Amino acid sequence: QVQLVQSGAEVKKPGASVKVSCKASGYTFTSYGISWVRQAPGQGLEWMGWISAYNGNTNYAQKLQGRVTMTTDTSTSTAYMELRSLRSDDTAVYYCARDLWGGYTSSPFDPWGQGTLVTVSS
Amino acid sequence: EIVMTQSPATLSVSPGERATLSCRASQSVSSNLAWYQQKPGQAPRLLIYGASTRATGIPARFSGSGSGTEFTLTISSLQSEDFAVYYCQQYNNWATFGPGTKVDIK
Repeated sequence: QVQLVQSGAEVKKPGASVKVSCKASGYTFTSYGISWVRQAPGQGLEWMGWISAYNGNTNYAQKLQGRVTMTTDTSTSTAYMELRSLRSDDTAVYYCARDLWGGYTSSPFDPWGQGTLVTVSS
Repeated sequence: EIVMTQSPATLSVSPGERATLSCRASQSVSSNLAWYQQKPGQAPRLLIYGASTRATGIPARFSGSGSGTEFTLTISSLQSEDFAVYYCQQYNNWATFGPGTKVDIK
């Protein structure tokens, strides 16, 4: 079945960087885009950006421009999200989520990874 | 950026009753609207897309309606497993989520 498995929890100091991975299985990786969504403790969902696994094209949320980079490794069917210059308000669960439809830039998300908790604390 | 709002913030419902959740977009998103359910400690789950199409495996008690800027999610007869937080999402112009509606037990 289609599955996204994310890397484990991270604890980082302010100013550091974090890189979260999302390994896909059960489908042709390059046929679908992947979005990253984060959720601060007790808060709602925030879309961070999207990457095409076909050609690496990206679109990032404006508030994260310059701090976030999304990449893919097609040889391992893995997507990555790197966030730099971490602040305490970056503490959140980070999710990867696959586009429901391949070949579209606008699509709902299904399935989702299990989430990765990133804690930023001195 | 398209801003999504949801109402109410919390909805208290008894099991077996009907629940009606609202979602509004700051500008038209056509029918490019999805609903997700999230339970504590879990990832969101897609319920509805295209404003009214149930995702695979979603029970018929979940239904969606609306287009343009006004949308509704209806749960016809709440089951114990339906108590959760529900988010709407527009995907007409990339993606933005509403703040969520928590459905809890009355």
